[in-house]
Amino acid sequence: NAGVTQTPKFRILKIGQSMTLQCAQDMNHNYMYWYRQDPGMGLKLIYYSVGAGITDKGEVPNGYNVSRSTTEDFPLRLELAAPSQTSVYFCASTGRTDSYEQYFGPGTRLTVT
Amino acid sequence: AQSVTQLDSHVSVSEGTPVLLRCNYSSSYSPSLFWYVQHPNKGLQLLLKYTSAATLVKGINGFEAEFKKSETSFHLTKPSAHMSDAAEYFCVVSDADSWGKLQFGAGTQVVVTP
Repeated sequence: NAGVTQTPKFRILKIGQSMTLQCAQDMNHNYMYWYRQDPGMGLKLIYYSVGAGITDKGEVPNGYNVSRSTTEDFPLRLELAAPSQTSVYFCASTGRTDSYEQYFGPGTRLTVT
Repeated sequence: AQSVTQLDSHVSVSEGTPVLLRCNYSSSYSPSLFWYVQHPNKGLQLLLKYTSAATLVKGINGFEAEFKKSETSFHLTKPSAHMSDAAEYFCVVSDADSWGKLQFGAGTQVVVTP
């Protein structure tokens, strides 16, 4: 049981490039989330999904897209990377929303230059 | 709408002395409240959670927190700080009707001195 996995761990992008951050969980959780953490700040929700085929925007969705074709995977797509997207990205999942904890992946550190 | 305010951005304590991290929250519904810890360059680990049961919640590593509805507070305490407690701590709220979405506070950096 690997929990929540994220790839890559680190990435440097040039302005205008695109990339996909991968997230997978093996706990059969319906609910998955993408957060970003800027230096000295708490995490902010980018997108979330309540099940395969269902996604919705969080607090800071601009510049990102997601899809959820399977229960296990929840990739985050960055189109036309900008320096403002330099951040650490965390994926999380939970089996229930009634006070169950979210399980976090180890994070992806992204730098856009 | 839900929000969290961590009243201290930085706390410095001596090893062996008590730790107090303050958190106030705002929530439209019955909230769940959490404290997460993040060690340098690491992911997030759940310390404890409040889920409308006992108002005094015990977590891992000797931490505990008390939910006070009248004060809308969820302060984190530990009787005796250890060097390994040096980390960033986040107070987090989740409304009952929010699909599990978490609202994080800005964090409190804890420094422990020998």
